[in-house]
Parts: sequence; structure tokens; C-alpha cells
Amino acid sequence: DTAVSQTPKYLVTQMGNDKSIKCEQNLGHDTMYWYKQDSKKFLKIMFSYNNKELIINETVPNRFSPKSPDKAHLNLHINSLELGDSAVYFCASSHGIVGGPNTEAFFGQGTRLTVV
Amino acid sequence: AQKITQTQPGMFVQEKEAVTLDCTYDTSDPSYGLFWYKQPSSGEMIFLIYQGSYDQQNATEGRYSLNFQKARKSANLVISASQLGDSAMYFCAMSAYTGGFKTIFGAGTRLFVKA
Repeated sequence: DTAVSQTPKYLVTQMGNDKSIKCEQNLGHDTMYWYKQDSKKFLKIMFSYNNKELIINETVPNRFSPKSPDKAHLNLHINSLELGDSAVYFCASSHGIVGGPNTEAFFGQGTRLTVV
Repeated sequence: AQKITQTQPGMFVQEKEAVTLDCTYDTSDPSYGLFWYKQPSSGEMIFLIYQGSYDQQNATEGRYSLNFQKARKSANLVISASQLGDSAMYFCAMSAYTGGFKTIFGAGTRLFVKA
């Protein structure tokens, strides 16, 4: 069983389109995240949810809207896609006890988004 | 503010030798966790090792050990007996209470293992 699964794995779309990436975890974690990895491999957190509540929004444009219908799911919807949105987007989850043992983040396999 | 710094963009190591990947961090929170992840060319993020800020001993996991020097705020990863399959990007990461529910990552170090 895949612990954190996100779909699709690849997404190619035109500028101006709206797209969604889905993420599900079966680890029983209460915290989920979206990260963006740019072409230089830098991983930057975008959003953090704890028990379906938005905890962190790292100055991400309003075109990005996460939605967490329950603790096991965190989806990312992107409106009016721009060329600069091209990146790999990772979903992750962890236990909410920050910094303690067994709090490592488990990552999905990533979604490579290409905007043309 | 919390920060993770990895100053080595790339490292080379001969197969079967040990290599140290540097990581320094900054946080004012007394309680935090430090992590290392591996990202092979296939792209997945693989958790390697964890060190808690209150842990007295350095963490070890197989060939991986974390050289934790709290006063210097460093958490270097040591890989012993390097293998060709160790060639990958390595990320140092930290989570701390005052940072909220998030883990922040360094810029990464690309490790090349030579045969």
C-alpha cells in the first residue's frame, strides 16, 4: 500500500487553464503539506494543514487553493496557470507533534507540472 | 526565523569511502527535530535519519549517522562505505514548534559516488 499517493504524476497544460492535484495518505497522520520543488531542486513549503485546518500559507498566490475534505486528503487546485508554475509539487504528511521522534514527513511521488 | 543551510552544492566521493554532508541550522526554539532526506534521480523523497534537539546521542541508521553539534547548530550527515546507489540529492531539514506545522529544507547537496 502506498503511504502517500498523489495524482497525477505528470500534468502538461496550457497557460490560463485550471488544474487540480489530489493527495491521499493512509498513515493516520493529522498534518499534511504541499511543497513546490523548482528547477534548482529547492523545496519550498506552500501550505500546511493540521486536522483539516489551514495552519500555514507561505505567501502563495491566491491562484493556489488547497482543500482538505478530511484528515487523509489534501488537494491542490490551481487557477489561471502561469509558466512560472511549472515545477514538481510534492504532497507530504506527518504526525502533528512538531520536532519529536517519528515526526518525519512522508512524501508522495510528486507531480511534475509543465505549463506551456 | 528558522533557517537551514547546506553550503555544498555538490560532493564527490570514491566508492567505499565515507563522506560528510554539511548542514547548519538556525532556530530560537529549544525543541526541534532535524532530518535528512535522499532524493535519487527518480525523484522520490526518502527519509533517512532523525535527530531530536534533546537527544544526547548522535542518531545512527545503518550506514547513516548524524553528527549533531548543538552548540554549533550543525547536523552533518555521515555516510560510511559509500555505494554507487548513494548518488543522489541530499536534503537537510528541520521542524520546530515556533515554526508551526512545517518542515523546512536546505538547498540540498548533490552527491556523486565514483566507482
